[in-house]
Amino acid sequence: GAGVSQSPSNKVTEKGKDVELRCDPISGHTALYWYRQSLGQGLEFLIYFQGNSAPDKSGLPSDRFSAERTGGSVSTLTIQRTQQEDSAVYLCASRRQGNTEAFFGQGTRLTVV
Amino acid sequence: AQKITQTQPGMFVQEKEAVTLDCTYDTSDQSYGLFWYKQPSSGEMIFLIYQGSYDEQNATEGRYSLNFQKARKSANLVISASQLGDSTMYFCAMSASAGGTSYGKLTFGQGTILTVHP
Repeated sequence: GAGVSQSPSNKVTEKGKDVELRCDPISGHTALYWYRQSLGQGLEFLIYFQGNSAPDKSGLPSDRFSAERTGGSVSTLTIQRTQQEDSAVYLCASRRQGNTEAFFGQGTRLTVV
Repeated sequence: AQKITQTQPGMFVQEKEAVTLDCTYDTSDQSYGLFWYKQPSSGEMIFLIYQGSYDEQNATEGRYSLNFQKARKSANLVISASQLGDSTMYFCAMSASAGGTSYGKLTFGQGTILTVHP
């Protein structure tokens, strides 16, 4: 597709389970970002990828959160031993090198019960 | 550290009138970029307009313009001729440096919900 694709669009999981969220960026976009948006809040930066490396992981809230990117394309955000406070919308964005604006996916709404 | 402040949780405007959404920022960086996005109910953030800190002219994109006042550290969004379809959430954001040299990490404000009345 032409835009950033995220899957699943919705995920309900039990507390303590692990979840994986996937992001397919726009083809050719080398920069990829993950953000988290809690209910009624602005977006909170989690991690930035340039190619397959992550020079900025400063926003990951705990060691239960990790992310990887392979082939300079698809990225996976993994949350281990989910907690109720992890419930939020997780948004992925990608950007072409040299361009200013980032393009966002529609997000994954994660609910931990 | 960077900070974006949007002081208007909600704004109302009559259809066809102009509306200004406020945004102030705080940064110690000399070079930065300012963005406005809107977020419809579908969830994705849609880019509206960008202003680099060294740009002397205010940015314009169709009905959107950015009123950039650097000394006051404000970057207000002006929407002219409001339409019913403009009713949604709007976010102001900034990146650490302007243009392609930035790696583009964005700091967002809390958002303003705009409601356009017929």
